[in-house]
Amino acid sequence: GAVVSQHPSRVICKSGTSVKIECRSLDFQATTMFWYRQFPKQSLMLMATSNEGSKATYEQGVEKDKFLINHASLTLSTLTVTSAHPEDSSFYICSAPGQFGGPLHFGNGTRLTVT
Amino acid sequence: GDSVTQMEGPVTLSEEAFLTINCTYTATGYPSLFWYVQYPGEGLQLLLKATKADDKGSNKGFEATYRKETTSFHLEKGSVQVSDSAVYFCALRYNQGGKLIFGQGTELSVKP
Repeated sequence: GAVVSQHPSRVICKSGTSVKIECRSLDFQATTMFWYRQFPKQSLMLMATSNEGSKATYEQGVEKDKFLINHASLTLSTLTVTSAHPEDSSFYICSAPGQFGGPLHFGNGTRLTVT
Repeated sequence: GDSVTQMEGPVTLSEEAFLTINCTYTATGYPSLFWYVQYPGEGLQLLLKATKADDKGSNKGFEATYRKETTSFHLEKGSVQVSDSAVYFCALRYNQGGKLIFGQGTELSVKP
């Protein structure tokens, strides 16, 4: 079964609104989680590394104020897309390292559509 | 910087055909290498991995060998099935629990 739960799986929102995506590690603690964005027919681009108890580390070119990341607990990280625009429409995927630094486990992704 | 390059898709095969998806990497150190699979509408699942040169990862009939001399990690399967239709990603990672660097993905379509 899934070890990383991502919610919602799909969301449609209007331009200008904010959307929150949750990523939970099930049955294990994750001090670090990764947020990726996937464009159609393209690879996954790392957006940021979420760190429990400290600020997220953003990749170059990712707007911190637009993509707010909060690692609220050892099992929960959230990504909030603020003031969403149609160009933010994409597939967002979170991942977390397994216990004892094991392989990364991925959530099932969130399809965001901004109208 | 570190990068991963995969052969372009889509790759279309008939059922029971032999599959090869090429993957090469550029790395400053000695990363672990991975293949992930993404079925339509889903997230990524780890398919196989290799942590050092000459290691062979295998799972569900898929295999890939870590070739340091050619900086490659090609994915192979002797006989594909329709259910193997998905997008396959090659990736590298340095540290346990660290971030993955992905190739661009290769879409595989298997016809009956």
